[in-house]
Formats: sequence, C-alpha cells, structure tokens
Amino acid sequence: GAGVSQSPSNKVTEKGKDVELRCDPISGHTALYWYRQSLGQGLEFLIYFQGNSAPDKSGLPSDRFSAERTGGSVSTLTIQRTQQEDSAVYLCASSLVMPIRKSGYTFGSGTRLTVV
Amino acid sequence: AQTVTQSQPEMSVQEAETVTLSCTYDTSESDYYLFWYKQPPSRQMILVIRQEAYKQQNATENRFSVNFQKAAKSFSLKISDSQLGDAAMYFCAYRSASGKTSGSRLTFGEGTQLTVNP
Repeated sequence: GAGVSQSPSNKVTEKGKDVELRCDPISGHTALYWYRQSLGQGLEFLIYFQGNSAPDKSGLPSDRFSAERTGGSVSTLTIQRTQQEDSAVYLCASSLVMPIRKSGYTFGSGTRLTVV
Repeated sequence: AQTVTQSQPEMSVQEAETVTLSCTYDTSESDYYLFWYKQPPSRQMILVIRQEAYKQQNATENRFSVNFQKAAKSFSLKISDSQLGDAAMYFCAYRSASGKTSGSRLTFGEGTQLTVNP
C-alpha cells in the first residue's frame, strides 16, 4: 500500500480483556517495528521484525504482550488481560531492509487504546 | 544504552519568527544517525530532517536546519519563518549505525510541543 496502515484507529476495552492491534506495512518493507506512546511521553520501543530473522522482543513490557508477523507482511500486536496502564497509542513503523544507512521509518497513524 | 533528552516540554513562537528546539543524547558509539520527527494531532510521525554522525556539515531541509555538535552530543533543530502548520509535537531520535538487530531501533526523546502564534 501507499503507507503504513493500522487498525483499529481507536479501541476502548474493558480491563482484563484481550485486544489485537493490526499493522499493514508498506509493500516491500521487510523491517517492522512496534512502539508505544503513553500520554505526554516519547515513544517506547516494543518489538522489531526483520525478514525471517527471530524478532527482537526486548522491549515488550510483560509476558501479556506478544506480536507476530505473518508472511513477512502484516503484523498483529496482542495484549492479554489488559490493564489500565496499557492505555496508550501504539504506533507501527516499517522500513527498507537494513542496513540502508539513511533510512528512517514510515509510521502509521497508530491505534489509541483505552482500557476502562 | 543510548538516551535522548529534550529539556523543553513546550515552546512557542510567533508566526514568521525563528525557534530552536534542543536535544542532547548520550552514546558511546561513533557512528549513528540523528533525526527530528514531527507529530501533528493526526498522530503520524513525519520525518523532518536527518543527520549522519560522520558528516560534519549540518543538514538542512528548506526552513529546517540542525546544529549538530558531536563532541557536545547536541542536536538542535532550528525552524525559520515559522508557519501555523509547524505547530506539532517534535521528537528527537537516535539510531545506531550498527548492523546488529537491536541497533536498528530508534530511541526517542520525550518530545517538545511547539505552538505557533499568529
């Protein structure tokens, strides 16, 4: 597609429920990243996928968080048993394969998750 | 681990005037990239300007320029002739040039909210 697409745009869920957030990266971008942006704060790295390599999960805050990327394209971030502190904007980004030294990322518009 | 610090939570500027946003970072690496991203209310992060650490020349993109001081680990953004559309949250970010998997992530500062007054 022309850009990084994320769905849903907004999600309100009850505490304790599971949620799935979707990211559809730019076609041909083999690198995909998830970030979390809590209210009034910067972006916190969550997870990184690069091609068929094992993902870098070092940023996931707890074992309630998991992510997968099917067929090297679409990615799903799953949060189980959501807590109020999970409320944030979840941003996805994709980029050309490393090491394209000058490339930044193309970001999606994010999913705003509210846990009530 | 690398850290990025933006010490100005909020800044304001009059339309057509110039404003400078500050950013400092900490790293033990010698080869890396620095970025400024703009985040309007639409939430999408938009790349404003990038700088390669091995280049001494400061990057410029139209009304946007940086003052990169490698020894001081400082990377400020100057916006000239500010426009109403420049109003947004601005984030400074660091990216290692290392080929290691984890080196590809961006490390962000806390952001500076810029207001442009007509």
